[in-house]
Amino acid sequence: AQSVSQHNHHVILSEAASLELGCNYSYGGTVNLFWYVQYPGQHLQLLLKYFSGDPLVKGIKGFEAEFIKSKFSFNLRKPSVQWSDTAEYFCAVNATPVGGSQGNLIFGKGTKLSVKP
Amino acid sequence: ETGVTQSPTHLIKTRGQQVTLRCSSQSGHNTVSWYQQALGQGPQFIFQYYREEENGRGNFPPRFSGLQFPNYSSELNVNALELDDSALYLCASSWDNNSPLHFGNGTRLTVT
Repeated sequence: AQSVSQHNHHVILSEAASLELGCNYSYGGTVNLFWYVQYPGQHLQLLLKYFSGDPLVKGIKGFEAEFIKSKFSFNLRKPSVQWSDTAEYFCAVNATPVGGSQGNLIFGKGTKLSVKP
Repeated sequence: ETGVTQSPTHLIKTRGQQVTLRCSSQSGHNTVSWYQQALGQGPQFIFQYYREEENGRGNFPPRFSGLQFPNYSSELNVNALELDDSALYLCASSWDNNSPLHFGNGTRLTVT
């Protein structure tokens, strides 16, 4: 069965530190990849997505992610975090994509990011 | 605001009972999905409806069922509740399967 692994359960950083959150998936075929974010007390919202093309994708709020097919990875990065980035981050995969399908997602367990001011 | 509202926000049920959770999607969103998020886990896909027909299902037993109505509202029904059904249930809607999901804030179900 397809699965998504997020390596870090809880990451604590100081403001201006660089961020990289790991995500690996177990599926050898074509996938659509996503990062979702959940700020405290808010709903899940899409941060960025990858379907095809340039493996480096840019999302909202300065986040980016790199798809490395050979490593089955889709790590999330931000050069300099802010206190307002404190949230839970979820990596997700659509392992049976048809074109740009964004449903039927398999989520990782999430990584909590705490940014100290 | 996502425009997706779920009710109730919290619910406590007893093992063996049945529960109905409700979701109101944005007008025009023809696709609705339901996810179960257990404590400390990521959301797990239950099923998806498109124009009132189920068109995708995750690894959940038949006692999890759903309905989607023409007025962009939907329901998740769970029969014969088990303790492990205690979780946050998320509704997500979109224009179609190629559009971003808009999540609601969820319904927290506790089964005792």
